Amino acid sequence: DIQMTQSPSTLSASVGDRVTITCRASQSITVWLAWYQQKPGKAPKLLIFRASSLESGVPSRFSGSGSGTEFTLTISSLQPDDFATYYCQQYDSYPWTFGQGTKVEVK
Amino acid sequence: QVQLQQWGAGLLKPSETLSLTCVGYGGYFSGYYWSWIRQPPGKGLEWIGEINYSGRTNYNPSLKSRVTISVDTSKNQVSLNLSSVTAADTAVYYCARTPYDSSGFYSTFIDNWGQGTLVSVSS
Repeated sequence: DIQMTQSPSTLSASVGDRVTITCRASQSITVWLAWYQQKPGKAPKLLIFRASSLESGVPSRFSGSGSGTEFTLTISSLQPDDFATYYCQQYDSYPWTFGQGTKVEVK
Repeated sequence: QVQLQQWGAGLLKPSETLSLTCVGYGGYFSGYYWSWIRQPPGKGLEWIGEINYSGRTNYNPSLKSRVTISVDTSKNQVSLNLSSVTAADTAVYYCARTPYDSSGFYSTFIDNWGQGTLVSVSS
C-alpha cells in the first residue's frame, strides 16, 4: 500500500494567516491526489483533485500543488469557516489511502 | 447534485455481520463507482472498497476476506456487508460517489459523501 504522511498533525493559526499543509507519498503518485476538509460530526468535503484542480464551489483561497511524492494544500488567508481537519488521499494505486489528517485550530 | 442516504444497524455484537445500504437520489447513478469508507472515532479515514454499475468491485486487501459490496441497479442502491465484526470495526461508515478516471476504467477521488452511519460493536 502507498503510505500518505501529512505534516504537521496539528497547526495553530489565526484568521488571515497563510496556511500550508504538506502530504508526502511513500512512492510516486504523479498527480493523483485529492484534498478534503472535514468538520466535527460531518462527512469530508472535496476541495482539490488531481493535485491542483479546485472543486466547483470551493473558495479560491484554497489551492493545491505538487507532483510525484510531495504535495501541499495552501489556504491563502484563513477564514473562520476553515478551522477543520484536512486529509489528503492518493488514487494512483489500489487500495486508495489517506493521510492521517491535519487539524487546523485557533491560535 | 446527487444526495446519498444511507442506513443500517448501528449496534452489533462481536462475530455478527455489519450490513449497510446507500441509495443515490437525483443523480446519474450508472456513471460512477460507489465506495465505502470508514472512520473510527477520533481517527482517520480508511477506504473499504468500491463497486461500479456493472458490479465490478475493488476491495482493500486488509478487509477483503470479510467484505462484500453489492449493487442493485434497479433501486440505485449499493450495500456493504462486513462479516465477523470485532470492536476494531467500530466506526462511522460512509458511502460515497467516485468518478471514473479518463480511461473510464478506474475510480478516482470522492466527490460526494453520504451522511455517515455510526456502527458500534460491543458485547
